[in-house]
Amino acid sequence: AQTVTQSQPEMSVQEAETVTLSCTYDTSESDYYLFWYKQPPSRQMILVIRQEAYKQQNATENRFSVNFQKAAKSFSLKISDSQLGDAAMYFCAYRRGPRNTDKLIFGTGTRLQVFP
Amino acid sequence: EPEVTQTPSHQVTQMGQEVILRCVPISNHLYFYWYRQILGQKVEFLVSFYNNEISEKSEIFDDQFSVERPDGSNFTLKIRSTKLEDSAMYFCASSEDGGEAFFGQGTRLTVV
Repeated sequence: AQTVTQSQPEMSVQEAETVTLSCTYDTSESDYYLFWYKQPPSRQMILVIRQEAYKQQNATENRFSVNFQKAAKSFSLKISDSQLGDAAMYFCAYRRGPRNTDKLIFGTGTRLQVFP
Repeated sequence: EPEVTQTPSHQVTQMGQEVILRCVPISNHLYFYWYRQILGQKVEFLVSFYNNEISEKSEIFDDQFSVERPDGSNFTLKIRSTKLEDSAMYFCASSEDGGEAFFGQGTRLTVV
């Protein structure tokens, strides 16, 4: 069975600095997707970034980028120029490939605090 | 921007009562999901739905749970006889092609 592990329950960063959140996963599949979701205090789940396993290039969305290491099954999120609004729970998630109905499997989350 | 809408935002119910949580997915989406998050814990998959039938369900999704797409726009989750441990945040999600899931804002269910 696939699993997702986030080993950092909490992280903190100063405004304008850079922080990296870790995620590792376990799967025997070769085709899959990885995601980072943000959950602010409002509890809504917001997609931050997505990575297809077949793509070697790391995904980037503005201040958010990932370091995808397929062989190591590692998928870390880097937030550059951190802002107060980045404070939230961040969940790493995995979805198996080809079957479009496949579910997301989430990690336990990392709570990010941003200090002014 | 299209979004997934869930109602109500908060539901309080007595143990043993039936509740229906409602979701309006994004209009051109074909894949629908329910997830739940017990306070302070991770988000867990409940059920996926495609082509008017359940595609997959987790072991959490027992006989007390059911889903329905009654009118082509709504997607509902029914819990027949609620238990205290059903208290959680319930998220509906939808996807156009199964790749990227868009989540609603959630319904907080409190069973007393």
